[in-house]
Amino acid sequence: EDQVTQSPEALRLQEGESSSLNCSYTVSGLRGLFWYRQDPGKGPEFLFTLYSAGEEKEKERLKATLTKKESFLHITAPKPEDSATYLCAVNAGNNRKLIWGLGTSLAVNP
Amino acid sequence: DAGVIQSPRHEVTEMGQEVTLRCKPISGHDYLFWYRQTMMRGLELLIYFNNNVPIDDSGMPEDRFSAKMPNASFSTLKIQPSEPRDSAVYFCASSKGLAGGYTDTQYFGPGTRLTVL
Repeated sequence: EDQVTQSPEALRLQEGESSSLNCSYTVSGLRGLFWYRQDPGKGPEFLFTLYSAGEEKEKERLKATLTKKESFLHITAPKPEDSATYLCAVNAGNNRKLIWGLGTSLAVNP
Repeated sequence: DAGVIQSPRHEVTEMGQEVTLRCKPISGHDYLFWYRQTMMRGLELLIYFNNNVPIDDSGMPEDRFSAKMPNASFSTLKIQPSEPRDSAVYFCASSKGLAGGYTDTQYFGPGTRLTVL
């Protein structure tokens, strides 16, 4: 069964303390891995798409990487405004469906 | 672009009542997705449409749920009759289609928070 697991469930950092969030997946035929950010009371907001192992993408303090079994979202010198839930989703097979992880809730203290 | 628009933003109803959620996708997007989000189960895909045609409704929990897309700019998700376990946040998302069957980025609306008493 296709599955996406995110860890940790929750993470608390001090401002400036870099860390990484993990998204591991077991799917047949990965066709894309997506990272989203979700703020309380809002819909998920797109961050990155990765399509093949070895691919990396960066945006401000965030960097996403992909291997054959997992993806990491690296957060460098986070700020309080980076506090949010980060969601990972994968697309596999011959359809447009995304399989979602449960997310990592990140809190960055000033 | 205004993004994906959903209404209402909040809905409180009593068990047994009919609930209709509405969505306007981003203009030019071929795909529309309805999701339900709960703390326990996260984001669950209920149904998705391509060019107004339902493609996969395997996530619809039961016959009480139905969805329609009468045209490219409007979709509804209806629950009749509603039950307390339907309480959740319902999201609509839309995307373009990519060649080769790849999935393009899904853009989400702000969601409808449904509470069934």
